[in-house]
Amino acid sequence: QSVLTQPPSASGTPGQRVTISCSGSSSNIGSNTVNWYQQLPGTAPKLLIYSNNQRPSGVPDRFSGSKSGTSASLAISGLQSEDEADYYCAAWDDSLNGHVVFGGGTKLTVL
Amino acid sequence: EVQLVQSGAEVKKPGESLKISCKGSGYSFTSYWIGWVRQMPGKGLEWMGIIYPGDSDTRYSPSFQGQVTISADKSISTAYLQWSSLKASDTAMYYCARHVFGDWHFDYWGQGTLVTVSS
Repeated sequence: QSVLTQPPSASGTPGQRVTISCSGSSSNIGSNTVNWYQQLPGTAPKLLIYSNNQRPSGVPDRFSGSKSGTSASLAISGLQSEDEADYYCAAWDDSLNGHVVFGGGTKLTVL
Repeated sequence: EVQLVQSGAEVKKPGESLKISCKGSGYSFTSYWIGWVRQMPGKGLEWMGIIYPGDSDTRYSPSFQGQVTISADKSISTAYLQWSSLKASDTAMYYCARHVFGDWHFDYWGQGTLVTVSS
C-alpha cells in the first residue's frame, strides 16, 4: 500500500493528452513539492518533473506537472509511442523523522 | 558528466551477508545526498534511505530501519547498501540515485543492481 495514490493504469492514442493523478496528505504533498519519474521498460527511472512543475534539461515541454492542495497531476500532451512507460510521483513526507514516499506507479499504454 | 555506477548482479543464499556499491563521478561526491531505492519484481519504487557522504549523516525509511545499513567512503566516492542476513524477500533491483537537498528529488540514477536471494 503506497502512501501516495496513483491510478494503476492509463491509456491514450498518439497525439492525445493524458493526465495521471497523485493523491497524498497534509504531511507529504500538502506541505512539500512533488516530483515525477518515468521508467521505461527494463531501465532505471528518470527524473521527469521536479518541484511540482519544473522540467530538467532535455525533457520535452509535452510533459507538465501541477499541484493543488494534497494532490498533483502529470500531463502529457501530443502523446507518442515512446511515452509508453511507468510513471511515479514522489514527495518528502514530514512524518516519522522525514522520508520520501512514492506513489504506486501508473502504467501508461499508448494504443 | 555526472555518473553513478553500481556493482554487478548478485546471487546469494538466505542468511548470507551482502554489500553492494555505487560509485559517483563527475561531481563533488561529498556535496550531495545519495539515496537507495528498492524495486521488487513487477512492483513499484520504494525509498530505503539516504546518506550525506560529507559527514555520513544517514536517514532511513521507517520500513527499512534496522533491515539494511547505508554507508559511504568519501575517499573513493562510493556509497554502499549492506545486509547482514539476507531473506528471499530481499530479491529485488536496487538503485542508487543522487538526491537534491530541499526538494528531495533524484536527479541522476545508477543503472541498478539485481539481487537474487534463493536457496
